[in-house]
Amino acid sequence: SQTIHQWPATLVQPVGSPLSLECTVEGTSNPNLYWYRQAAGRGLQLLFYSVGIGQISSEVPQNLSASRPQDRQFILSSKKLLLSDSGFYLCAWSPGLAKNIQYFGAGTRLSVL
Amino acid sequence: GIQVEQSPPDLILQEGANSTLRCNFSDSVNNLQWFHQNPWGQLINLFYIPSGTKQNGRLSATTVATERYSLLYISSSQTTDSGVYFCAGTFMIYNQGGKLIFGQGTELSVKP
Repeated sequence: SQTIHQWPATLVQPVGSPLSLECTVEGTSNPNLYWYRQAAGRGLQLLFYSVGIGQISSEVPQNLSASRPQDRQFILSSKKLLLSDSGFYLCAWSPGLAKNIQYFGAGTRLSVL
Repeated sequence: GIQVEQSPPDLILQEGANSTLRCNFSDSVNNLQWFHQNPWGQLINLFYIPSGTKQNGRLSATTVATERYSLLYISSSQTTDSGVYFCAGTFMIYNQGGKLIFGQGTELSVKP
């Protein structure tokens, strides 16, 4: 069966520090991968999605970037964190078919101080 | 435009009560899904329901795609049902699957 791993679970970082969040999927190949952010106001915002290795689409201009160095690995990064980057970050995968059923990781709670 | 709207935004129930959550979606999204976000933040898949009705225990969902809405029914609610319920629709990206457009959620609180 497929599983998605996301780490770390929580992270406290100072403003201006770098960020690297990792997400890996097991039990499937060539998944579509997604990064979402959920701010305190509850809505989920799609940040990046990837349909294959090295293919990244950005949904909103921001201080973050994403990379997909391997088929089942998706990384969210920042060179210098801002206070506004605080939030709950969720990684998700889907089979990439028309159904687009997405399955979510447990999330990373990021606090930038 | 691309829209998914949920109502009500908040709901407080007494344990044992029933409830109905509604999701309206625009023409450009399809293949509705319902999720439950538990207090720890985990998003749990409840239903993938492009049309018709599905049931899973005390939960059931109905989507009327022609009228662009979906309903989630919770019967005999329990305190463990508390959390935020999201609906999401797929906006298709040609030849690349699709991306989910989420509603703003309904926060359910079930009191003992």
